[in-house]
Amino acid sequence: GQQVQQSPASLVLQEGENAELQCNFSTSLNSMQWFYQRPGGSLVSLFYNPSGTKHSGRLTSTTVIKERRSSLHISSSQTTDSGTYLCALVNTGNYKYVFGAGTRLKVIA
Amino acid sequence: ETAVFQTPNYHVTQVGNEVSFNCKQTLGHDTMYWYKQDSKKLLKIMFSYNNKQLIVNETVPRRFSPQSSDKAHLNLRIKSVEPEDSAVYLCASSWTGAEQFFGPGTRLTVL
Repeated sequence: GQQVQQSPASLVLQEGENAELQCNFSTSLNSMQWFYQRPGGSLVSLFYNPSGTKHSGRLTSTTVIKERRSSLHISSSQTTDSGTYLCALVNTGNYKYVFGAGTRLKVIA
Repeated sequence: ETAVFQTPNYHVTQVGNEVSFNCKQTLGHDTMYWYKQDSKKLLKIMFSYNNKQLIVNETVPRRFSPQSSDKAHLNLRIKSVEPEDSAVYLCASSWTGAEQFFGPGTRLTVL
């Protein structure tokens, strides 16, 4: 089965609203990495988060290993936040990174 | 600031041709990767190289082969392209198991 599941698959927000993106995993991991991808663009690393909570501007990442989940919170969304958000399970035991299918976010003015 | 470089940005070719994509990282990392991203944005790892040694070789067609001259370079060759090879190919680097950094990608279109 799929090791990494992201939800929701897509999300539309009004500018200023908050978003909570989820990543659930079914296997052991060493860390979780969150990426942002603009349409037609490459992947930009947002967080590398093995456990606990990390903040960066309007973004917050929380990884809870025992619950096998990681979340990305976007506060006060802006139209420039539109794009795809991907999480990747990092398994340092076998050098593998397994990606989720992504959440497509659209923020409208 | 870009630290993982890929060339070319785009490539259009015909079925049966050979193509080669280049990747270079200036971060000093010990591991480099090639991913394929399809039209649905699904990202699948193809190869990873750790200090010039192939350590992960996912089930990809044999017409794909990675080539590395040193730990800063990892190229991808496709011997005889097929229509299903049309995709974006992304190169990345990291310290083993640590945060990954991606290049801008190479978009391949096979006619």
